[in-house]
Amino acid sequence: GEEVAQTPKHLVRGEGQKAKLYCAPIKGHSYVFWYQQVLKNEFKFLISFQNENVFDETGMPKERFSAKCLPNSPCSLEIQATKLEDSAVYFCASSQSRQDYGYTFGSGTRLTVV
Amino acid sequence: TQLLEQSPQFLSIQEGENLTVYCNSSSVFSSLQWYRQEPGEGPVLLVTVVTGGEVKKLKRLTFQFGDARKDSSLHITAAQPGDTGLYLCAGVGTGFQKLVFGTGTRLLVSP
Repeated sequence: GEEVAQTPKHLVRGEGQKAKLYCAPIKGHSYVFWYQQVLKNEFKFLISFQNENVFDETGMPKERFSAKCLPNSPCSLEIQATKLEDSAVYFCASSQSRQDYGYTFGSGTRLTVV
Repeated sequence: TQLLEQSPQFLSIQEGENLTVYCNSSSVFSSLQWYRQEPGEGPVLLVTVVTGGEVKKLKRLTFQFGDARKDSSLHITAAQPGDTGLYLCAGVGTGFQKLVFGTGTRLLVSP
């Protein structure tokens, strides 16, 4: 389809619990990005993939965050042992190639850690 | 660290007015994108500008990329209530694929 599908839309976790978010990029798009939006405006880059390979992971808090993009499966972002500060909206975006500067964003997953 | 500062942060205007949003940085970007985000949704791409000095028009919206590729502006003519939303500029740094987002401008257009 022509949209980036993110699930679930909302996720509530107790502090210390695991959270797993999913993203199905647009078919044919080879790049996938994860961003965290906090305080309504601020976007923080987490990680990007070129197909199933990690392209740039400079934004990932590696001790608790991990991500995968496996063939024929939705991409996933997993947070082990969630903390209150992980509460945010997590967006996934995909794009066709390095020469295509347009990104298509999903509608996000709102994670609330209580 | 690449930063993009947007101004103003908030703008509340009446239908029919014109407005300009600015996006400034001390860093050079290989391209700059403008997005609009509505509550509960992801950002939606409006335009991408690539060449220094480039001007693109999208109906009542005019986008300009600075000659030095460090800044950009968005001008809306005769704003309408449907233009209400959060406007975000985002730059792609030279040699990198990830977006650096601006601080955002929240626009409210009242009938």
